[in-house]
Amino acid sequence: DAKTTQPNSMESNEEEPVHLPCNHSTISGTDYIHWYRQLPSQGPEYVIHGLTSNVNNRMASLAIAEDRKSSTLILHRATLRDAAVYYCILRDVGTSGTYKYIFGTGTRLKVLA
Amino acid sequence: NAGVTQTPKFQVLKTGQSMTLQCAQDMNHEYMSWYRQDPGMGLRLIHYSVGAGITDQGEVPNGYNVSRSTTEDFPLRLLSAAPSQTSVYFCASSYGGAGANVLTFGAGSRLTVL
Repeated sequence: DAKTTQPNSMESNEEEPVHLPCNHSTISGTDYIHWYRQLPSQGPEYVIHGLTSNVNNRMASLAIAEDRKSSTLILHRATLRDAAVYYCILRDVGTSGTYKYIFGTGTRLKVLA
Repeated sequence: NAGVTQTPKFQVLKTGQSMTLQCAQDMNHEYMSWYRQDPGMGLRLIHYSVGAGITDQGEVPNGYNVSRSTTEDFPLRLLSAAPSQTSVYFCASSYGGAGANVLTFGAGSRLTVL
């Protein structure tokens, strides 16, 4: 099962900031928090990742709670091109001790013009 | 640098036919995986591999076989296709180990089973 919990959908107005939340209460000390997004009719693409500190890149910012049990993906100025499904994922451990990545259903972001 | 290459992009099968979806990466990634995505749904993990000769089951492995004889390739086999396997299939790879291991996805293979 997915180790993260996200809202099913969110809406934002164009040019405004968007905060996409993710809960991961069972996170372990070595788990990185990853965010991916999937544009319509495309494969998922990497957005950002972090371990403990807040992270910024050209696409977004990632704010990680001090206890690491939740995080927030921040799009500073949403554009119509940011309309996508956003997935927050952690690395999971399989039955044979190998690791795997479970995606869950993500948050569908709708951007209003 | 091609990244993750999936073939074919589109395929139509009849019930009971077999086929193999190909996935190749040129990034020397240890980890490779297959997901399926049904219309309007999220991605579900089918099988994954942490290196040549090592494979494991994901969330929905039934009806699919995999093998990993080389680092570069991770084919997904459907032995007897069923309409329930109509879906878009994505292959993804990453470096192994304890680091961040960002996943790189292929463009997807759309499979229709009649």
